[in-house]
Amino acid sequence: KQEVTQIPAALSVPEGENLVLNCSFTDSAIYNLQWFRQDPGKGLTSLLLIQSSQREQTSGRLNASLDKSSGRSTLYIAASQPGDSATYLCAVDNDMRFGAGTRLTVKP
Amino acid sequence: DAGVIQSPRHEVTEMGQEVTLRCKPISGHDYLFWYRQTMMRGLELLIYFNNNVPIDDSGMPEDRFSAKMPNASFSTLKIQPSEPRDSAVYFCASSEPQETQYFGPGTRLLVL
Repeated sequence: KQEVTQIPAALSVPEGENLVLNCSFTDSAIYNLQWFRQDPGKGLTSLLLIQSSQREQTSGRLNASLDKSSGRSTLYIAASQPGDSATYLCAVDNDMRFGAGTRLTVKP
Repeated sequence: DAGVIQSPRHEVTEMGQEVTLRCKPISGHDYLFWYRQTMMRGLELLIYFNNNVPIDDSGMPEDRFSAKMPNASFSTLKIQPSEPRDSAVYFCASSEPQETQYFGPGTRLLVL
């Protein structure tokens, strides 16, 4: 059974910092991995989808990498802004197992 | 497209009552997913459909839960009878094969 872990559970940084969120999974036989953002009281918004054959995906200030062999993915956020404050979740797509998320706070 | 539509947005009911949650996926999406989110257990996949056919319902917690997809534009998740521990936010999502999932705004269920 796939287990997905996200570290840290919470992160607080000052505006402008670059930061990295981590996601690890136990079964490397995945189809793809997705990163989502969830604002309080809202649904999930997809940020990046990495297919199993890819190593990374970029969108604006976001960059997600995937290392299947080590069972890890990272989400890099450059030049963080207060509007980036949210919970970030990763999901492994074989059976859509989600991590518990990292709650990010970016302070002005 | 208006995105994934869920109704109702909020539901308060008493223990023992039947609850029906509704979802309209994005047109053209072959996959539909039902999730439940709680503080204790996080986001859990309950069931998903491909072309209106249930593929994996191993996440459905009990026989009190049932889901149907009578056509490509409509799905329901029913809880009968409801219990306080069913209180959660229920999300519906849809996608094309191996593509990004689009989530609805969720239904916040409170069972008293």
